[in-house]
Amino acid sequence: EIVMTQSPATLSVSPGERATLSCRASQSVASNLAWYQQKPGQAPRLLIYGASTRATGFPARFSGSGSGTEFTLTISSLQSEDFAIYYCQQYNNWYSFGQGTKLEIK
Amino acid sequence: QVQLVESGGGVVQPGRSLRLSCAASGFTFSSYVMHWVRQAPGKGLEWVAVISHDESLKFYADSVKGRFTISRDNSKNTLYLQMNSLGTEDTAFYYCARKGGGSGSFDYFDYWGQGTLVTVSS
Repeated sequence: EIVMTQSPATLSVSPGERATLSCRASQSVASNLAWYQQKPGQAPRLLIYGASTRATGFPARFSGSGSGTEFTLTISSLQSEDFAIYYCQQYNNWYSFGQGTKLEIK
Repeated sequence: QVQLVESGGGVVQPGRSLRLSCAASGFTFSSYVMHWVRQAPGKGLEWVAVISHDESLKFYADSVKGRFTISRDNSKNTLYLQMNSLGTEDTAFYYCARKGGGSGSFDYFDYWGQGTLVTVSS
């Protein structure tokens, strides 16, 4: 089983600032990595796939990078609607999710 | 537009059974691999099961293997999850999700339903 570890668990950032979220895989997942955004009371929503391709509906301030075991989600200038929980998921070998990073307003 | 609507959740006693449904619309359901994913309240996401477009292949997480059965009725555009021998550890929101990407064996989940809550409690 591939274990996904996200850091930090909680990230406090002010609106307009940059947020950087990390995700590490216990073994290589190549670029088979997705990010999901989940707001309270809502289902997860696909944000990034293939480690760096933005899903439909998300603006360019969201970007993903990395390959192998280390991945990063960057939000360049936080807007109020971006505060949510973000999960990474590997789909290289079956499926596993990180425990999530809660992005909160500072 | 793609819509996935789950139903069938509720409160059930330990050891009992429950069947969840996921009604799909806005896409050719019979062409897509479908998944169930669950999330315990306030916790992270856990993949549960997957079914091929023609029901020929089904796979399960170890935590539910032998107790849960995934199925589909392409004539009704509906996905199912039969859950037997439920335990308190199965308490969660259950989401159906569509496989995105191309023809690869594994892929991300591009659309999710809103979820249905299953509570296992005496």
